[in-house]
Amino acid sequence: AQSVSQHNHHVILSEAASLELGCNYSYGGTVNLFWYVQYPGQHLQLLLKYFSGDPLVKGIKGFEAEFIKSKFSFNLRKPSVQWSDTAEYFCAVNANGNNRLAFGKGNQVVVIP
Amino acid sequence: NAGVTQTPKFQVLKTGQSMTLQCAQDMNHEYMSWYRQDPGMGLRLIHYSVGAGITDQGEVPNGYNVSRSTTEDFPLRLLSAAPSQTSVYFCASSYGDRESTEAFFGQGTRLTVV
Repeated sequence: AQSVSQHNHHVILSEAASLELGCNYSYGGTVNLFWYVQYPGQHLQLLLKYFSGDPLVKGIKGFEAEFIKSKFSFNLRKPSVQWSDTAEYFCAVNANGNNRLAFGKGNQVVVIP
Repeated sequence: NAGVTQTPKFQVLKTGQSMTLQCAQDMNHEYMSWYRQDPGMGLRLIHYSVGAGITDQGEVPNGYNVSRSTTEDFPLRLLSAAPSQTSVYFCASSYGDRESTEAFFGQGTRLTVV
């Protein structure tokens, strides 16, 4: 079945540590890839997206993600996290021009000051 | 520019009651959708619409109805609320073409069914 997988649902880090969140998908064909962030008590906001072109995409707040087509992956990274990065992060995919977004189960990230 | 507006923000229902969650967008987006968010489950698609007059089921449609009479509005109806429908509901909208499929989300409705 087509799916989006995120591992390590709960991540606890200290400030200034590096963050990497994995995302793997099982869709074939052309895909659009997204990372959304949800700060406590808020709605989802777009962090970054990949449609085509350079597989290394940069988003807001120092986040970046790399699309590796051969591995069906779109991992999110940030070299040095801050307390304000405490949030839940969701990877999402739509495939073949379909607007329907499929979400992973999310990564709850807690950054300790 | 308000974006995607959901009302109410919070709601408590008794089992068996009905209600409508409202969603409106002012970006002239063709595509609108409803998701529910449950702990450890991510967001699951309930229903979606590719334009006025057209709706279809998502991953978890049972117990919910939708309609799309205008481009702007996409209400979600719970006909007979059940405790299993306790969740946070998000409405989203996006353009219909492939190159602009970024979804914009509303603030969410936290629903508790007792």
